[in-house]
Amino acid sequence: SQKIEQNSEALNIQEGKTATLTCNYTNYSPAYLQWYRQDPGRGPVFLLLIRENEKEKRKERLKVTFDTTLKQSLFHITASQPADSATYLCALTTNFGNEKLTFGTGTRLTIIP
Amino acid sequence: DAGVIQSPRHEVTEMGQEVTLRCKPISGHNSLFWYRQTMMRGLELLIYFNNNVPIDDSGMPEDRFSAKMPNASFSTLKIQPSEPRDSAVYFCASRAWEASGNTIYFGEGSWLTVV
Repeated sequence: SQKIEQNSEALNIQEGKTATLTCNYTNYSPAYLQWYRQDPGRGPVFLLLIRENEKEKRKERLKVTFDTTLKQSLFHITASQPADSATYLCALTTNFGNEKLTFGTGTRLTIIP
Repeated sequence: DAGVIQSPRHEVTEMGQEVTLRCKPISGHNSLFWYRQTMMRGLELLIYFNNNVPIDDSGMPEDRFSAKMPNASFSTLKIQPSEPRDSAVYFCASRAWEASGNTIYFGEGSWLTVV
């Protein structure tokens, strides 16, 4: 069966360090992989998208890698700050133009001052 | 832009009652999605519409759930009769057709508690 797993339910990182979150998938051939941020009581907010033929994408302190051989994406936040504390969700679309965006269960990240 | 607007934000209802959740997508967006989020199952896609037409409702849990989109600026998700296991956060999201990669914009959710 198809699965999207985010390996850690919760992750605590010291302020200033790099936080690395993992998203693994099985039985998917994703065309796009996306990362969203969700704060308590709010809806998810889009952060970054990476295509199947891209290996890395950056946006300010965020970096996403995508390894279709390992079936894994890594999401990095460098120079982490307490304001980065949130739940981070990865999501896959399997076909170009396919509307179905399937989400992982999320990793709750806490940045400790 | 006001973003995706959902109502009510919170609803507590008794088992067996009808629940109607409402959504106004972002103006100009022509795809609309209803998701449900629980601790156990995470974020699940229930149904999505393109140009007001339901495309895939395979995620709708059972016949007690129904969704409509009578026009481009309004959608409803109805549960009748409601059951305690329907308690969850229900998110509406929308997308512009020309946006690549299927990036979607979520509302703030409707928190439903069925007692």
